[in-house]
Amino acid sequence: GENVEQHPSTLSVQEGDSAVIKCTYSDSASNYFPWYKQELGKRPQLIIDIRSNVGEKKDQRIAVTLNKTAKHFSLHITETQPEDSAVYFCAAKGPSQGAQKLVFGQGTRLTINP
Amino acid sequence: DTGVSQDPRHKITKRGQNVTFRCDPISEHNRLYWYRQTLGQGPEFLTYFQNEAQLEKSRLLSDRFSAERPKGSFSTLEIQRTEQGDSAMYLCASSPGTGGLLPPLHFGNGTRLTVT
Repeated sequence: GENVEQHPSTLSVQEGDSAVIKCTYSDSASNYFPWYKQELGKRPQLIIDIRSNVGEKKDQRIAVTLNKTAKHFSLHITETQPEDSAVYFCAAKGPSQGAQKLVFGQGTRLTINP
Repeated sequence: DTGVSQDPRHKITKRGQNVTFRCDPISEHNRLYWYRQTLGQGPEFLTYFQNEAQLEKSRLLSDRFSAERPKGSFSTLEIQRTEQGDSAMYLCASSPGTGGLLPPLHFGNGTRLTVT
């Protein structure tokens, strides 16, 4: 089955700098890759997602890139702000018509230092 | 708030007791999912419903776990004979749509279970 590895487990950056979180997946046929942000004690919230037919997607300060050949995808946050501090999870979904489960990475705790 | 609602928010129980959690999805969503999240880990898939049909179950869902969605609206997750290893946050999510394409999941705030 699908396996998702996420790095780093913790990341600390200065406010205004960029942050990059990377994930690798094992199933080359996976076709959907969302990123979730989870603040302490709150629900995971989708911040951006990408499907396998595109290589990059951007939404304001957040971007995701996908390299299908290398089976990895990355989250890029530019001009970081204190409210970006949270745990970020990547996930992947397999291509099976019936399969609806997401496999999540272990999470990255991002801290933005003022 | 028209998001996914879960009840209770917290549940403390003694080992061996049965517990039941409820999830009310976003009203127009026909897909409902249960995930489990332990401290410091990402959510792990447990099961998935499309309307009232339970279409997928994880191997994590032992015979002590059962989930229902009788009318295709709210869902319940029951754990029988709880064990300390069942302590976790149980997350419910919902999404619209049909077919193979997975729409974005909307998570609830979860039910935190502590088994003593």
